[in-house]
Amino acid sequence: EVQLVESGGGLVQPGESLRLSCAASGFSFSSSWMTWVRRAPGKGLEWVANMKHDGSVNYYMDSVKGRFTISRDNAKESLYLQMTSLRVEDTAVYYCVGGDMAEYWGQGSLVTVAS
Amino acid sequence: QAVVTQEPSLTVSPGGTVTLTCGSSTGTVTSGHYPFWFQQKPGQAPRTLIYDTTNKHSWTPARFSGSLLGGKAALTLSGAQAEDEAEYYCLLYYRGPWVFGGGTKLTVL
Repeated sequence: EVQLVESGGGLVQPGESLRLSCAASGFSFSSSWMTWVRRAPGKGLEWVANMKHDGSVNYYMDSVKGRFTISRDNAKESLYLQMTSLRVEDTAVYYCVGGDMAEYWGQGSLVTVAS
Repeated sequence: QAVVTQEPSLTVSPGGTVTLTCGSSTGTVTSGHYPFWFQQKPGQAPRTLIYDTTNKHSWTPARFSGSLLGGKAALTLSGAQAEDEAEYYCLLYYRGPWVFGGGTKLTVL
């Protein structure tokens, strides 16, 4: 059974940092592109960042460039999102998405940025 | 960053047919944008229905189909059922980053 389990979300103040983790199992993690997608309250889905299977390529949405860093550990079958200089508008449920065809989705981790 | 546009809302009768579209601010949507379609219901994670314009996953109901139509990506639902009431999002590739559309809230009524 495929599982993607996000963790690390919580309440932080503007300007602070947070690191999300995603533990994967049940599929070929080390061969798959991995992606972070978010959904802010009352808004639609937003593609955040992704990383190639070997970590050699990654892309970010414009508003998080320079603040967020995606990384992965294939030995641990884990994906990470290091978020710094957090803003109120980064408040969202963050989903970990696995597979080259976006087949697998986690249940999400809530990040709340508020003072 | 490109802007991807979808109808904010659509209504379809049970058993009816509806087409949702996905346009790009950069011009015509092509197979090179590798259009994806996702369905999300309240309180649930999204699930992928269509990838690479027309391809379905094993769990995608046969009544859903993807295509390119009039310069846009399209998702057609033929024979709508009550359980299809949900939000639908398209996703396009832009030679690196991807961009979601704003989503279509589909009502089956």
